[in-house]
Amino acid sequence: RKEVEQDPGPFNVPEGATVAFNCTYSNSASQSFFWYRQDCRKEPKLLMSVYSSGNEDGRFTAQLNRASQYISLLIRDSKLSDSATYLCVVKGGDDKIIFGKGTRLHILP
Amino acid sequence: EPEVTQTPSHQVTQMGQEVILRCVPISNHLYFYWYRQILGQKVEFLVSFYNNEISEKSEIFDDQFSVERPDGSNFTLKIRSTKLEDSAMYFCASSEPTYSGSSYEQYFGPGTRLTVT
Repeated sequence: RKEVEQDPGPFNVPEGATVAFNCTYSNSASQSFFWYRQDCRKEPKLLMSVYSSGNEDGRFTAQLNRASQYISLLIRDSKLSDSATYLCVVKGGDDKIIFGKGTRLHILP
Repeated sequence: EPEVTQTPSHQVTQMGQEVILRCVPISNHLYFYWYRQILGQKVEFLVSFYNNEISEKSEIFDDQFSVERPDGSNFTLKIRSTKLEDSAMYFCASSEPTYSGSSYEQYFGPGTRLTVT
């Protein structure tokens, strides 16, 4: 099983729709979880940390399921500017940070 | 808004040469990182640095690589004897301390594109 696994997509979604991304991780000792977005040929930008209780930031909601080793990101009312690659990031029991390969999202006008 | 900066934005070097990539982390951050991203592939962790020493490194970070914080603001990645496969985007990141250690919420610089010919 890959350390951090994501559906590569692309997800082609009409503007205004809701889209959900999933991510699984293999190391049960993982401690911290994040979602980043990366635009083409740009640096990753932190979108949100993922907490055990789940957290929401505007149109974005992140969930963590430790038992299933699964993280999700939900984007509601998607905008054209949400088009990007969404990266699931996991910190293991050590200081290593592991990125998933990312899921590409295209919002269609 | 404070940001991580990196120089140069693009570096072209010949195989076998040494390169130094420079980063200025956000000023109150104490944890620093280097990553690389080969075109079309995922972001790969190289090394983390705290309190003037390496705290963790990946299998990629072998003797060819070294990091240094030569002064209070710069954080550098040196690649000795570059190989063709070192061609990639190299990102620096930093995170702020919390009472328990790093926040791990990392802020990335714009990257240096290294091309080895």
